Amino acid sequence: GAVVSQHPSWVICKSGTSVKIECRSLDFQATTMFWYRQFPKQSLMLMATSNEGSKATYEQGVEKDKFLINHASLTLSTLTVTSAHPEDSSFYICSARETVHEQYFGPGTRLTVT
Amino acid sequence: EDKVVQSPLSLVVHEGDTVTLNCSYEVTNFRSLLWYKQEKKAPTFLFMLTSSGIEKKSGRLSSILDKKELFSILNITATQTGDSAIYLCAVGTYNNDMRFGAGTRLTVKP
Repeated sequence: GAVVSQHPSWVICKSGTSVKIECRSLDFQATTMFWYRQFPKQSLMLMATSNEGSKATYEQGVEKDKFLINHASLTLSTLTVTSAHPEDSSFYICSARETVHEQYFGPGTRLTVT
Repeated sequence: EDKVVQSPLSLVVHEGDTVTLNCSYEVTNFRSLLWYKQEKKAPTFLFMLTSSGIEKKSGRLSSILDKKELFSILNITATQTGDSAIYLCAVGTYNNDMRFGAGTRLTVKP
């Protein structure tokens, strides 16, 4: 079955540093990948949609210069949190879409900024 | 390594059918299991389960957790086309960790 992996599973970094999170589709090609962030009270917020080879489309209120998304290949998208602050601490989840009807989620990455 | 497995990955039914979606998990320091429904943009929260054997219900949706066998099911009765979505399961731990399953895509045909 379709598998989406994220790396790392968890990361701790110091305030002001940058962190890169990878999202890979392991056995299918993903033309579109999505990045989500989980907020308190269980809600998941879509941050951006990325299509391979083009710039990501960010949702309103998401700083594109802070959350850099690169979808360099059909199996890899990266989210870089630049100049991280404690308020950026959260779970970041990606999903990858193979076709219009098939979308699979990664296991998530827990970011803690100290 | 902690993992959350959902089955089936996809399911096609007709309106009026009843469906059962499965979520099994292997995590250390289990705290809660959450179900989400994703249609267009961000998944919407459905249920959070922490205790075994207590059914949570919301309209035609219900869910129950079995902490001994390490799984949860999400039931949808009298399905409607509007139930077509990806249903996502996530498990939280007391280590403040969380793992998501790959999701089950449900398609309800008229």
